[in-house]
Amino acid sequence: ETGVTQSPTHLIKTRGQQVTLRCSSQSGHNTVSWYQQALGQGPQFIFQYYREEENGRGNFPPRFSGLQFPNYSSELNVNALELDDSALYLCASSKGQVDYGYTFGSGTRLTVV
Amino acid sequence: GIQVEQSPPDLILQEGANSTLRCNFSDSVNNLQWFHQNPWGQLINLFYIPSGTKQNGRLSATTVATERYSLLYISSSQTTDSGVYFCAVNAGTYKYIFGTGTRLKVLA
Repeated sequence: ETGVTQSPTHLIKTRGQQVTLRCSSQSGHNTVSWYQQALGQGPQFIFQYYREEENGRGNFPPRFSGLQFPNYSSELNVNALELDDSALYLCASSKGQVDYGYTFGSGTRLTVV
Repeated sequence: GIQVEQSPPDLILQEGANSTLRCNFSDSVNNLQWFHQNPWGQLINLFYIPSGTKQNGRLSATTVATERYSLLYISSSQTTDSGVYFCAVNAGTYKYIFGTGTRLKVLA
C-alpha cells in the first residue's frame, strides 16, 4: 500500500504571497488532517477533511483554507503569508475521523521571507 | 483545554540501554497515539493505544486512561531510536493535541 505523500518538500515564499500544499492520502483512508509544526514545538491542528468537507478547525485564521477531492487527496492553501507561517506542514490520513491511528506524510517545510 | 505533558524533556542513553517515557494528560481522553519524529521531520506512528498495553518489537506502550497517563518503553535502544517522541490525545473533538515531546539521543 502506498503511504501519505506531500508536495513540495521545501518551499520559499515572500511575505504576502499565497501558497498551496498538496497531500495524497494512504490507500483505504478517507480522512485527512493538517498540522503546523513550528521549530522546537509539537504539531498544532489546523483542520480536518472528511468526505470532502471541513469538519473541524483549530485556532487558525480564515486565510488558512483547504480542499479534499473525491480521491481523498487534499490541499492546504495559505493566503497573505506572514513570517510566522514559516513551519513544517504535516498531513495525516486515517480510516476515519478520530477512532483510528494517523499515518503522516514527510511534510512540507515552508519558509516565508 | 486538555494539557499534555511529557517527561523527561530530554534523554541521553548509551546504545543497549532501556528507557521509559511518560505522557500525562489533564482530562479524560478517548484516544491516544505515540509518534516518533526522526531527524528529517517524519512522524512515524508507533502505537494507537487509547487503553491497555501493546507491544511491537523492542517498543511497548501502556495507557491507564483512568489515571490519565501513558508510558512508552524502549528496550535495547539503538542509535536509530534517536529523535523526538510525541504522545497525542483526542478528547471527543476532531483534533489531536500533541504533548511537549521527549528528545532522545542514543549514543553508539
